[in-house]
Amino acid sequence: SQQGEEDPQALSIQEGENATMNCSYKTSINNLQWYRQNSGRGLVHLILIRSNEREKHSGRLRVTLDTSKKSSSLLITASRAADTASYFCATDFKNAGGTSYGKLTFGQGTILTVHP
Amino acid sequence: DAGITQSPRYKITETGRQVTLMCHQTWSHSYMFWYRQDLGHGLRLIYYSAAADITDKGEVPDGYVVSRSKTENFPLTLESATRSQTSVYFCASRRAQPGPVNSGIQYFGAGTRLSVL
Repeated sequence: SQQGEEDPQALSIQEGENATMNCSYKTSINNLQWYRQNSGRGLVHLILIRSNEREKHSGRLRVTLDTSKKSSSLLITASRAADTASYFCATDFKNAGGTSYGKLTFGQGTILTVHP
Repeated sequence: DAGITQSPRYKITETGRQVTLMCHQTWSHSYMFWYRQDLGHGLRLIYYSAAADITDKGEVPDGYVVSRSKTENFPLTLESATRSQTSVYFCASRRAQPGPVNSGIQYFGAGTRLSVL
């Protein structure tokens, strides 16, 4: 399966601490995206990093991408109770022609709990 | 700006019945997707569509049928529901972007929770 794998499956931290989630994948990508899902809701896009980028920031989010290791990490700094959610990585794989299939493959997610 | 809406939000049905889940988007996005979300499996792609009248299978298409006669609608039909199709179903859409790398962000509906008894 091309599906990405995420770890840890669950992460429990205190408010103010940093949270790091990791994602690994198996084949070449065009980009990798991170999504957030609050309980009972749909997924919301957080950040996209392209295959030629190594690091990207958005507010308290920092994403890194290492294409040689086929892995990415999402760092949430100074976590808040409102960050409690599931976080998913999603990969846009390259097809044989080097372009996109137009679809994403999602990992199984990391459940983050931030305690006040 | 309604965005992307799914209906119904909750559905209970019986084994063997036909069920149709609706998805409607107001952005005129080219691509639309159907996923199912189950504990331990994350999101799995059922079917997707690159444009009206163009659909393709995803990872878990068996037991499902889709159609896309209009850009804004992408209904998912379970022709004969089975208990294993009890799940939360999400619809998503995205723009088609020009250029050799057709990447894009997906926008999700709120989901339909389906129980097959």
